[in-house]
Amino acid sequence: QKEVEQNSGPLSVPEGAIASLNCTYSDRVSQSFFWYRQYSGKSPELIMSIYSNGDKEDGRFTAQLNKASQYVSLLIRDSQPSDSATYLCAVNPSSGNTPLVFGKGTRLSVIA
Amino acid sequence: ETGVTQSPTHLIKTRGQQVTLRCSSQSGHNTVSWYQQALGQGPQFIFQYYREEENGRGNFPPRFSGLQFPNYSSELNVNALELDDSALYLCASSLLVYNEQFFGPGTRLTVL
Repeated sequence: QKEVEQNSGPLSVPEGAIASLNCTYSDRVSQSFFWYRQYSGKSPELIMSIYSNGDKEDGRFTAQLNKASQYVSLLIRDSQPSDSATYLCAVNPSSGNTPLVFGKGTRLSVIA
Repeated sequence: ETGVTQSPTHLIKTRGQQVTLRCSSQSGHNTVSWYQQALGQGPQFIFQYYREEENGRGNFPPRFSGLQFPNYSSELNVNALELDDSALYLCASSLLVYNEQFFGPGTRLTVL
């Protein structure tokens, strides 16, 4: 059973701080990793994808991937109240013909 | 560029009825995946369509079926509705099979 684990939270951070969201996955041969943001009552929105070990930065967001440790994280710098949402980690367990496996999500609350 | 659209937005059905949900993929995308998201859970993969053929299926019973049309739009049909089918149904489109997936707004199905 391919699994993606996330701490359900809530993770509370003050406005302006760095929020750190973590995700572990069970399938060692996983190839592609995605972070989605989901506001309450809305659908998931893709915010980051990462395919290689290391860091990938996009604005205030940085995704970090460590395939040896089977660990992917999302850092949000200068957190804003508008970042308050559930963050879903999704993994493509192997190359080609397999579906994305989602974690249950981490609820982030940014306190003004 | 037109994003993923879904209809209807909300739907209320009674147990035993049948329902059809519709999805139009983002322009240029040829792959559509359907997910079920229960409250507090991550999206669960139902099935995927690529070039009008089913291209992978999750752990859902045969009463969940689908179609993809030549214009890449798609339908999800659920027969003999059960109370546990109440959920947010998400359609996601992508350009390559299992690459970055972009979600529509979802259909909230309530089964009474």
